[in-house]
Amino acid sequence: ETGVTQTPRHLVMGMTNKKSLKCEQHLGHNAMYWYKQSAKKPLELMFVYSLEERVENNSVPSRFSPECPNSSHLFLHLHTLQPEDSALYLCASSQQSSGGYEQYFGPGTRLTVT
Amino acid sequence: AQSVTQLDSHVSVSEGTPVLLRCNYSSSYSPSLFWYVQHPNKGLQLLLKYTSAATLVKGINGFEAEFKKSETSFHLTKPSAHMSDAAEYFCVVSNTGFQKLVFGTGTRLLVSP
Repeated sequence: ETGVTQTPRHLVMGMTNKKSLKCEQHLGHNAMYWYKQSAKKPLELMFVYSLEERVENNSVPSRFSPECPNSSHLFLHLHTLQPEDSALYLCASSQQSSGGYEQYFGPGTRLTVT
Repeated sequence: AQSVTQLDSHVSVSEGTPVLLRCNYSSSYSPSLFWYVQHPNKGLQLLLKYTSAATLVKGINGFEAEFKKSETSFHLTKPSAHMSDAAEYFCVVSNTGFQKLVFGTGTRLLVSP
């Protein structure tokens, strides 16, 4: 595997379910991110982890719970979601350095909440 | 605060003709600027980046962008469009402090035969 991988690629869940999204980066980076991409809205940054510590939480509802057990893995735990949470969830990683801040994205998980 | 404005939500071109996707930015600091591309049902792929080196930046797949500080612009161009270029393109500026990227609303490029 290369780059940033995400599983599952598609997920359908009811509002009472609990599920988790998984992200893995194979780039040796030290920062990881969760984004939400909804139709007709700009990409929304949800969480940022740097060196496995959460450094940003953009007022995300508590029904989304991130976890970063090590620098290569990032999870997004989901419970009691709402239909408006249906979206493409993108994971990204980057290397903190003094020059350039490009992030590398995974293919995303298409989430549908019924 | 930093922001980007993508001036066109849709751009249509014919295959073999030039592509111009427009982006203006607002920044209190020397910005880092990026263009990303997203094909249907795929993640975002980095096309190119500007980080205060050369103002004309070359990227993958024949794309390039020019940083113009006087115009606060970072337009994306390609001399000749290919059918495979049809996708959504995002102009992005990096924020200060942590590595927060601020995304534009995207421009959908349509390429007709």
